[in-house]
Amino acid sequence: EAGVAQSPRYKIIEKRQSVAFWCNPISGHATLYWYQQILGQGPKLLIQFQNNGVVDDSQLPKDRFSAERLKGVDSTLKIQPAKLEDSAVYLCASSLQVITSYNEQFFGPGTRLTVL
Amino acid sequence: DQQVKQNSPSLSVQEGRISILNCDYTNSMFDYFLWYKKYPAEGPTFLISISSIKDKNEDGRFTVFLNKSAKHLSLHIVPSQPGDSAVYFCAASAGANNLFFGTGTRLTVIP
Repeated sequence: EAGVAQSPRYKIIEKRQSVAFWCNPISGHATLYWYQQILGQGPKLLIQFQNNGVVDDSQLPKDRFSAERLKGVDSTLKIQPAKLEDSAVYLCASSLQVITSYNEQFFGPGTRLTVL
Repeated sequence: DQQVKQNSPSLSVQEGRISILNCDYTNSMFDYFLWYKKYPAEGPTFLISISSIKDKNEDGRFTVFLNKSAKHLSLHIVPSQPGDSAVYFCAASAGANNLFFGTGTRLTVIP
């Protein structure tokens, strides 16, 4: 079974530039998550999708971050414009579904973003 | 507000000995707890979990203990192996909601 795929693996940009990350979840997984992991911290949820609908985006800085999951499969996360404090690893995860009980989340390798 | 805390940033253990990683939480609504293992340049990988209705769950060399009254859980690895060297994250969930992660503990198993 193929795992969660993410690209690019690394990205270096200057502040105020834009950047986009792509995620392809495990086939059949209805729920997709984007996490931000700043150096020395644990992953923090940015947004959660159930199929192509948003379940939770309360921690997403909506003035600069946006995410979409068209057709309920692949997802993109965009930052526009980037700030220095956005330097982090962006992790995508997926799980079968979220209804009444917890489902294990499977993580991709992440995209390491450096903002100069 | 850090709802899940791992107060030890690092731990070194001799090969063959026991590794004990600790985690504390503040939110009494958490009812499901997980441990993830992370190698450099890879995403976290699920290791073991425990529901709040249990106080112990065992899987091979890995055992997780939950003390609800103290809001504390621990991961025991026995015996520790060099391949266990990684960063270990504790995570918690309330129902089917999202995961809250601790800051991680870097385990080094010395051959």
